[in-house]
Amino acid sequence: QKEVEQNSGPLSVPEGAIASLNCTYSDRGSQSFFWYRQYSGKSPELIMSIYSNGDKEDGRFTAQLNKASQYVSLLIRDSQPSDSATYLCAVTSSGSARQLTFGSGTQLTVLP
Amino acid sequence: DTEVTQTPKHLVMGMTNKKSLKCEQHMGHRAMYWYKQKAKKPPELMFVYSYEKLSINESVPSRFSPECPNSSLLNLHLHALQPEDSALYLCASSQQGGDNSPLHFGNGTRLTVT
Repeated sequence: QKEVEQNSGPLSVPEGAIASLNCTYSDRGSQSFFWYRQYSGKSPELIMSIYSNGDKEDGRFTAQLNKASQYVSLLIRDSQPSDSATYLCAVTSSGSARQLTFGSGTQLTVLP
Repeated sequence: DTEVTQTPKHLVMGMTNKKSLKCEQHMGHRAMYWYKQKAKKPPELMFVYSYEKLSINESVPSRFSPECPNSSLLNLHLHALQPEDSALYLCASSQQGGDNSPLHFGNGTRLTVT
């Protein structure tokens, strides 16, 4: 069973701080990694994709991937109350099916 | 605005009813998905269509019946559901299926079975 684990939280940070969300995965052959943001009662929204080792920055968001450690993270700089949501890590499995496996999500609250 | 459109947004149905959920995407994607999501849980994969053919069925009960009339449309036919089937049903699409492209989700249908 391919697994994706996230720190379950909840995670609270003050406004303006850096929020750090972490994810580990068990399938060493995984090649694509995604972060989705999901507001309560809404559908998941893709915020970051990362495919190779290192950092990828998009505005206030930075995704970090370390395939050797099977670890992917999301940093949110200058956190805003509007960032309060559940963040889902998703990893595509190896093999021909390339199924997407989601972590259980980390609930983030940014305190004004 | 999402480019994957789901209707209806909300649906309440009795256990003897038959209803359908609809999904449409205009991104030229060739893979479409149905997911089920219960509160405070991650989405669970139900079905995958790739190039209009059913490629994955995650052992879903037969009271859920998917249909893919063409590459832009995906339906989920519901019959004789149970109260525990109440959930958010999410449609998603991706470029091909079986590749590394991300999924794009619709806004979901909130289903309540009474």
